Amino acid sequence: DTGVSQDPRHKITKRGQNVTFRCDPISEHNRLYWYRQTLGQGPEFLTYFQNEAQLEKSRLLSDRFSAERPKGSFSTLEIQRTEQGDSAMYLCASSFRADLGGGEKLFFGSGTQLSVL
Amino acid sequence: GDSVTQMEGPVTLSEEAFLTINCTYTATGYPSLFWYVQYPGEGLQLLLKATKADDKGSNKGFEATYRKETTSFHLEKGSVQVSDSAVYFCALSPYSGAGSYQLTFGKGTKLSVIP
Repeated sequence: DTGVSQDPRHKITKRGQNVTFRCDPISEHNRLYWYRQTLGQGPEFLTYFQNEAQLEKSRLLSDRFSAERPKGSFSTLEIQRTEQGDSAMYLCASSFRADLGGGEKLFFGSGTQLSVL
Repeated sequence: GDSVTQMEGPVTLSEEAFLTINCTYTATGYPSLFWYVQYPGEGLQLLLKATKADDKGSNKGFEATYRKETTSFHLEKGSVQVSDSAVYFCALSPYSGAGSYQLTFGKGTKLSVIP
């Protein structure tokens, strides 16, 4: 178990540029989540994959955001035409499956800190 | 929609003091409840969980009891250590039975323990 890894750790970009983040989940995990966290707030759900299928998307995920998980392994989150309001920590999490009664345990990566100037 | 409210921080305690971090929630149905912890420079880690009313989650000396009547899941520890300094997040996930297990988090409470 090498943990969930995210790349890059930090990204500084200019408004209007496109950025892409990568997440490598724990290898046997079939579920993968993206969350966004701004300063002083808890993480907010963005989207969720089971294997390669994107099953849920938050209304926070505007048309400028797109996420993929080809072959059900790593995932990428792309933000097009970045805006200053996109500045946040982007967190990836993975899990194997949910317990029957709910209460699934998520393993989080350390996140990618995005700063849009 | 679902929401989680936890006490504002920061909280500063002396080593061996008693800790309580309050958490209340609003949700339909029967959510599962969690406490996650984020140590400096690290990702969030699950601290403990409870999946039904009156369940008590416990780990590393921390405890929280799922109280449906008061919609609460307060975190407690009898004697904190410097190494417990971190940000603590209360969270819930709905149990829809359809596979949706997204978490709704509170804003987090920063705990600092001084020697």
